[in-house]
Amino acid sequence: ETGVTQTPRHLVMGMTNKKSLKCEQHLGHNAMYWYKQSAKKPLELMFVYNFKEQTENNSVPSRFSPECPNSSHLFLHLHTLQPEDSALYLCASSLQPQGSSYNEQFFGPGTRLTVL
Amino acid sequence: AQSVTQLDSQVPVFEEAPVELRCNYSSSVSVYLFWYVQYPNQGLQLLLKYLSGSTLVKGINGFEAEFNKSQTSFHLRKPSVHISDTAEYFCAVSVGYGQNFVFGPGTRLSVLP
Repeated sequence: ETGVTQTPRHLVMGMTNKKSLKCEQHLGHNAMYWYKQSAKKPLELMFVYNFKEQTENNSVPSRFSPECPNSSHLFLHLHTLQPEDSALYLCASSLQPQGSSYNEQFFGPGTRLTVL
Repeated sequence: AQSVTQLDSQVPVFEEAPVELRCNYSSSVSVYLFWYVQYPNQGLQLLLKYLSGSTLVKGINGFEAEFNKSQTSFHLRKPSVHISDTAEYFCAVSVGYGQNFVFGPGTRLSVLP
């Protein structure tokens, strides 16, 4: 596998279910991101991990819980979601040099989530 | 705070016609600029990027973009589009260390036969 992979590609879940989205990057990057893409809305940055430490949490509801066990893997744990959480969830990674503003992000194909 | 504006939410164009997708950004410091493309049911793919140097940047699939610092713009152009260029196009700016990576709202390009 190369690049950024995400599993599953599609997920349908009820509001009481617990599920997890997985992202893996094979690029040797040190930063990983979760984005939410809803219809007719701009991309929303949800979480950022730099060197495995969470550095950004853009007021995301607690029903979304990220986990970054190492620099290659990123999870998004989901529980008691709402129908409005249905969206495409994109993972990205980048090589962020220390002290540099350069940040080219590489994206996975996304997980299409439907909450019933 | 930095922001990115893409004035056109949808751009329909006939096949083999030229197209320009507009992007303006706001920032008081130097920036890196990117255009990404998203084909249906896929993630975002980098089309091209401006880091420094020549203001005219060439990317994949025949696209190019011109950085204009005085107008804070980074418009994307292609002289002749194909049906396969139908997709959503996102302009993005990177400024400052870390997570300061901002996307525009996107422009949906529809190429008509």
